[in-house]
Amino acid sequence: SQTIHQWPATLVQPVGSPLSLECTVEGTSNPNLYWYRQAAGRGLQLLFYSVGIGQISSEVPQNLSASRPQDRQFILSSKKLLLSDSGFYLCASRTAPSHEQYFGPGTRLTVT
Amino acid sequence: ELKVEQNPLFLSMQEGKNYTIYCNYSTTSDRLYWYRQDPGKSLESLFVLLSNGAVKQEGRLMASLDTKARLSTLHITAAVHDLSATYFCAGLYNFNKFYFGSGTKLNVKP
Repeated sequence: SQTIHQWPATLVQPVGSPLSLECTVEGTSNPNLYWYRQAAGRGLQLLFYSVGIGQISSEVPQNLSASRPQDRQFILSSKKLLLSDSGFYLCASRTAPSHEQYFGPGTRLTVT
Repeated sequence: ELKVEQNPLFLSMQEGKNYTIYCNYSTTSDRLYWYRQDPGKSLESLFVLLSNGAVKQEGRLMASLDTKARLSTLHITAAVHDLSATYFCAGLYNFNKFYFGSGTKLNVKP
């Protein structure tokens, strides 16, 4: 089975600072990768997904961006954080032909 | 876009009782998923439902899918305190995009 790593686990950043969150996947190849955000007490919002290296689809207009420089690496970035960017960021992976989507442990971001 | 609605959003129940969480979705979904989330933790996959009439069971949880009604249910039998968590359903749209419901926060009281 696949394992998803995310770091850092927690992050406190001031408004206007940059952001880089990293996700790596072990135990599979050619996964579909996903970034989600979960606000406190809410459901998950799909931010980006990627079906291959360099291929990024954005679901929600915002000041975040994503990149996939390697097959099993997915990065979420921002040039200038907003207060509204606070939340729990989850990376997920899905590999054909399995129908399962596996989640990483998440990064809790607080923007102050 | 796929809209997914869960109800109830909050559920407080006694141990030993049965209850059902409902998940309605707005348009054709390729798959229907159920997840569990404990406080402060990530999501754990419970069930993947692939086709109309699919039923899956694990312990005290049973999930079903009715694609004609665009409805999935998660039935809890003889609840125990360890089932206290937030449960999410999610639909897969266009084979790549997942859309989640708002979650049902379940509290099982001893």
